Amino acid sequence: DTAVSQTPKYLVTQMGNDKSIKCEQNLGHDTMYWYKQDSKKFLKIMFSYNNKELIINETVPNRFSPKSPDKAHLNLHINSLELGDSAVYFCASSSSDQGTEAFFGQGTRLTVV
Amino acid sequence: SQKIEQNSEALNIQEGKTATLTCNYTNYSPAYLQWYRQDPGRGPVFLLLIRENEKEKRKERLKVTFDTTLKQSLFHITASQPADSATYLCALERSNTGKLIFGQGTTLQVKP
Repeated sequence: DTAVSQTPKYLVTQMGNDKSIKCEQNLGHDTMYWYKQDSKKFLKIMFSYNNKELIINETVPNRFSPKSPDKAHLNLHINSLELGDSAVYFCASSSSDQGTEAFFGQGTRLTVV
Repeated sequence: SQKIEQNSEALNIQEGKTATLTCNYTNYSPAYLQWYRQDPGRGPVFLLLIRENEKEKRKERLKVTFDTTLKQSLFHITASQPADSATYLCALERSNTGKLIFGQGTTLQVKP
């Protein structure tokens, strides 16, 4: 059973296109996240949703729009893709209790050409 | 400015030895510190969590220490095995945020 699953695993697209990445968790967690890992392997938080409400929104271009239809899903839509958006995007989930571990998906490698 | 630093250079050790990885931070007051393992092409996997009022935490061959005065955490793998080869990430969590701030990771290579 996959705890946090995201699709697609790989995404190659041209500049200017709009694309979405989907994420689902079956752990019953109430908090979900999107992280971006760049070529230097830094993992940076982008967004966090708790019970479908946006609670963390880091300095991310507004071309990136997360959407949480329910507690188990958090999708990421990216408009007008740019070369600099190329990275690995990870979805994660956790309980909202403090000091709990995060469970990560396998990542989506986005390449913008 | 706030910063989390892990050894950027890869750590190479011989099988059976103890690997020690360092995580230093400045201008943070984390309530929790977590360590994750990441294998190539995979997402990070949680290993251990230590609270600000704890000095040490152990799990099987893993040990984490947390010194809030030095602003440092050490992560030890005893009796290391080639299967322990991976990148290890430390992450800080401040209370009431739920937000993890990650270091850049240290790559460990255990040679048979």
